[in-house]
Formats: sequence, structure tokens, C-alpha cells
Amino acid sequence: QKEVEQDPGPLSVPEGAIVSLNCTYSNSAFQYFMWYRQYSRKGPELLMYTYSSGNKEDGRFTAQVDKSSKYISLFIRDSQPSDSATYLCAMSAGYGGATNKLIFGTGTLLAVQP
Amino acid sequence: DTAVSQTPKYLVTQMGNDKSIKCEQNLGHDTMYWYKQDSKKFLKIMFSYNNKELIINETVPNRFSPKSPDKAHLNLHINSLELGDSAVYFCASSQDQRTGGRTEAFFGQGTRLTVV
Repeated sequence: QKEVEQDPGPLSVPEGAIVSLNCTYSNSAFQYFMWYRQYSRKGPELLMYTYSSGNKEDGRFTAQVDKSSKYISLFIRDSQPSDSATYLCAMSAGYGGATNKLIFGTGTLLAVQP
Repeated sequence: DTAVSQTPKYLVTQMGNDKSIKCEQNLGHDTMYWYKQDSKKFLKIMFSYNNKELIINETVPNRFSPKSPDKAHLNLHINSLELGDSAVYFCASSQDQRTGGRTEAFFGQGTRLTVV
């Protein structure tokens, strides 16, 4: 079993829809949670960064972390065709040294249809 | 200015050859990484350096050897390339990771390596 599980999709939604992307994890030491967006043939770019449990909102994006359930989510409101990309969740324990390495999910491919 | 830049962007080479990928960051970060992304888009860490010191060395064949001449540069040399080495290699950097804290990494554009 992988440390981080993510539905690979693909997920296809119409423009304007609310998108929900999710990851589950097994390592209770994780306390830093990130979402990256990766366009085709580009490097991952950081979208959201969250420490511990709770919600964080940035424009059309909302990240949620539920450490008790070991479950994180990314919501995209009013989705646009430009949101079409692969979304990767990542997390780390963050206690220094090797515990700071990011463990990634496998990514969810999202297509927003105009 | 590109924050994390790596060269070359594409690399096609024959089995058995030796090749190098170079990475530079201008973010002032102390920690740099090499990640490998396979054909299924799965990203896995290979190495991490903090201010020229190796701090993470995952289970990677010793044909792969990282080198960090200074904290802004991290290179990856691969000996005796094999077909299975074909992947996209990403360089990344972050704040000082020796003592913990914010762990988000900033990635370069990747080097697409194809071994034929």
C-alpha cells in the first residue's frame, strides 16, 4: 500500500463546475500538506500549502485537511478550461532532515470542458 | 528570471552512455532535490542536499551520482544508462530542511530523458 493514495482520474467536468480532488494517507506523522498543479510537459507548481488540520482558501481554491481521517481535499470553484492539468497532492512530516521529503500522490488528471 | 532552471530540457541517448543534468536556483534556498517522474506521472524523491551536504539518499542505483558544488547548484550524473532510466527528472529547491518547518518545494521545468 502506498503512503499516499490519490484517484488518478481522468476527471472531466463542464466549465463552471465545482471540482473536488482528494487524497488519503497512512503516515500519521505527516503535518504539512500541499497541492501542486502540473500542466503537460511542465514542472509542478505549488497551489496550496497547509499546516495541520483545517481549511485554507485562496481565490477559487480551497484546501481542507482532516488529520483524524487522514484525508485531504482540494476544491476548485467556477472551474475554467485553464484549470485542466494534473493535480498532485504532497505531504511531509517536516521534523528536519529526511522527514522533510515530500511524498506525492499519483496525481489526478482534470479536464474542464468549455 | 526563472527560479529553478535545469538543462538540458530534452536528452535522448543510447544505452550505456553517461550523461549529466544541471540545475541552478536563484531563490536563495539552502536545500535542493532531484525527483524522478515516471510514465504514470508518479513523482519520487531521489536525493536531497542542504548547503552542499547530502541529507536524503533514497534507494537509487549507484549509477546515479549527485553533486552540489555550492548551495545554488545541484547536478545529476548518470553512468551506464539503461532503458529503465527513461523518465522526467525534476530539480527542486526549498528553505533549509535540516531543522524542520515549511517544506514546500519549488520545481524546475524538468529534463525529459529518453534512453534508446
